Amino acid sequence: AQSVTQLDSQVPVFEEAPVELRCNYSSSVSVYLFWYVQYPNQGLQLLLKYLSGSTLVKGINGFEAEFNKSQTSFHLRKPSVHISDTAEYFCAVSEVPNAGKSTFGDGTTLTVKP
Amino acid sequence: DTGVSQNPRHKITKRGQNVTFRCDPISEHNRLYWYRQTLGQGPEFLTYFQNEAQLEKSRLLSDRFSAERPKGSFSTLEIQRTEQGDSAMYLCASSSLRGGGTYEQYFGPGTRLTVT
Repeated sequence: AQSVTQLDSQVPVFEEAPVELRCNYSSSVSVYLFWYVQYPNQGLQLLLKYLSGSTLVKGINGFEAEFNKSQTSFHLRKPSVHISDTAEYFCAVSEVPNAGKSTFGDGTTLTVKP
Repeated sequence: DTGVSQNPRHKITKRGQNVTFRCDPISEHNRLYWYRQTLGQGPEFLTYFQNEAQLEKSRLLSDRFSAERPKGSFSTLEIQRTEQGDSAMYLCASSSLRGGGTYEQYFGPGTRLTVT
């Protein structure tokens, strides 16, 4: 069984400041890791994914994340946020190699203030 | 690629009634997933299909819930004898593992169910 913990339920930040959204996971098997973003009244959209290889992955909209196997973490970062980044962010895992169901964290609300 | 579509987008029903939702995945995607999302929480897995076969069903899913994907294309999720606790956003997603598929799930906009 897998579980995902997003350590911050809400993150307020000023525009152009850096941000980190934290995600830890627990699993008895190897996992694939994902970050999704959900804008109000919209579906989830993939930001980035880690499947294998380089532990630093880059995604859309200037986001990146680093997989740390020893700490079972997959934190999301952006060096300079915009007002338009205000949204709900979800970390998720799925099992290698089947990549069936995903287990999601409860989300982090990122609010970017002017 | 028109994306994942779900119908209806909103459904209001009275307790005890049956409801059915439809999901049309991205064409050629062989996997289709159903999730439920309540306010303040992440999506919770319900079930998924590979082609027409239902490969996994959550233990949290009561026998009032049933899902089908009869021809390996669209899927329906039915909830019988709805309860107020069924009020949630029901999300559908699809993915493809064919030809070096990349495993990520593409989500539809969801169907918001309100049980009164």
